[in-house]
Amino acid sequence: QSALTQPRSVSGSPGQSVTISCTGTSSDVGGYNYVSWYQQHPGKAPKLMIYDVSKRPSGVPDRFSGSKSGNTASLTISGLQAEDEADYYCCSYAGSYTPYVFGTGTKVTVL
Amino acid sequence: QVQLVQSGAEVKKPGASVKVSCKASGYTFTGYYMHWVRQAPGQGLEWMGRINPNSGGTNYAQKFQGRVTMTRDTSISTAYMELSRLRSDDTAVYYCARLRITMGTHYMDVWGKGTTVTVSS
Repeated sequence: QSALTQPRSVSGSPGQSVTISCTGTSSDVGGYNYVSWYQQHPGKAPKLMIYDVSKRPSGVPDRFSGSKSGNTASLTISGLQAEDEADYYCCSYAGSYTPYVFGTGTKVTVL
Repeated sequence: QVQLVQSGAEVKKPGASVKVSCKASGYTFTGYYMHWVRQAPGQGLEWMGRINPNSGGTNYAQKFQGRVTMTRDTSISTAYMELSRLRSDDTAVYYCARLRITMGTHYMDVWGKGTTVTVSS
């Protein structure tokens, strides 16, 4: 199972929007509506930000939104804030044999 | 509150084994899979496998088949991940993370703080 493909980095100024893509195949991203997104600050554990493509856990700001089209999922951060600067990883369910695969990760920089 | 507390950092020699523990509290241990995810220095997250604490059933990523063993002790709400025949490229932070055992649930909502494993001669 190959890692899902994400851009290495994206950047934006405070208040702007950025979108991170996550490209897989019909065996993972395209085959299920089970994409989740995790935020990771340096030296910290990942934190769940989005699940089931577009659902937000309690406590996650509504600036974070998710979507999917075909084999590509996306995470959009609207109204970018300094504290959003972190690494972001997508993860998809990929069937019962090797159930989960992560993306390569994207560093978000707030200019 | 819900938390996963992992064991401390380890330093091992190539060829040795390491066993990392993850103690759960604040929820019903047998109601959630325990997943293990690792992150090599400067690299991304890598899914290693999972255990169903209720049944003991496991799924491992193909890359780790034959080298990883995941177990649990329900009496103390603790999951374990043992990796054998360690190599230098196994140097990483190892995380445990829970995922609810419910049809259609496929996200890890609580993570441990991570255990650093260093493999060096």
